[in-house]
Amino acid sequence: GAVVSQHPSWVICKSGTSVKIECRSLDFQATTMFWYRQFPKQSLMLMATSNEGSKATYEQGVEKDKFLINHASLTLSTLTVTSAHPEDSSFYICSAGELETGGYSPLHFGNGTRLTVT
Amino acid sequence: GEDVEQSLFLSVREGDSSVINCTYTDSSSTYLYWYKQEPGAGLQLLTYIFSNMDMKQDQRLTVLLNKKDKHLSLRIADTQTGDSAIYFCAAFTGTASKLTFGTGTRLQVTL
Repeated sequence: GAVVSQHPSWVICKSGTSVKIECRSLDFQATTMFWYRQFPKQSLMLMATSNEGSKATYEQGVEKDKFLINHASLTLSTLTVTSAHPEDSSFYICSAGELETGGYSPLHFGNGTRLTVT
Repeated sequence: GEDVEQSLFLSVREGDSSVINCTYTDSSSTYLYWYKQEPGAGLQLLTYIFSNMDMKQDQRLTVLLNKKDKHLSLRIADTQTGDSAIYFCAAFTGTASKLTFGTGTRLQVTL
């Protein structure tokens, strides 16, 4: 079954409003979760690494004030798109894994959230 | 940084084998993954291989890793129409603690 749950699966919002997306690890504790963005017919672009109990690490070019990430517990990370604009419309996917020697255990992905800003 | 490349499209007949290739650039990559994405859905982990392995087989899936050439392949035996999807390879680089995805290969299975 799914080990990473992402909610909502789709959302439509008006320009200027904020949208929160949740990512939960269901049967393991994830000290780190990753947030990706995918444009149509393109690959996944890493936006940020969410660290439990500390600030997220953002990739170059990603506005941290626009994409707020909170990793409040070992099983929950949230991504808030603030003051959304139509260009923020995209498919957002989170992933999580357990840290092992040499890297992370196979990263599992949520089913994604399709955000449409009108 | 890491660069992961794949061919964009592959078409095979139902029942044939499919081979999807991937190359990466960072020799310190530890885990290498294959994910499947169907239209409008998230990513489904298919299989993965650790960098000290050459091959891994899981039912119809066989992963081959040539670490010297930094080449990864995914072979799907007896390809079915339900295998039609986009397949992403991804490399995890421990030094950067991040997963880098390839561009994805669209697999089309014809009757």
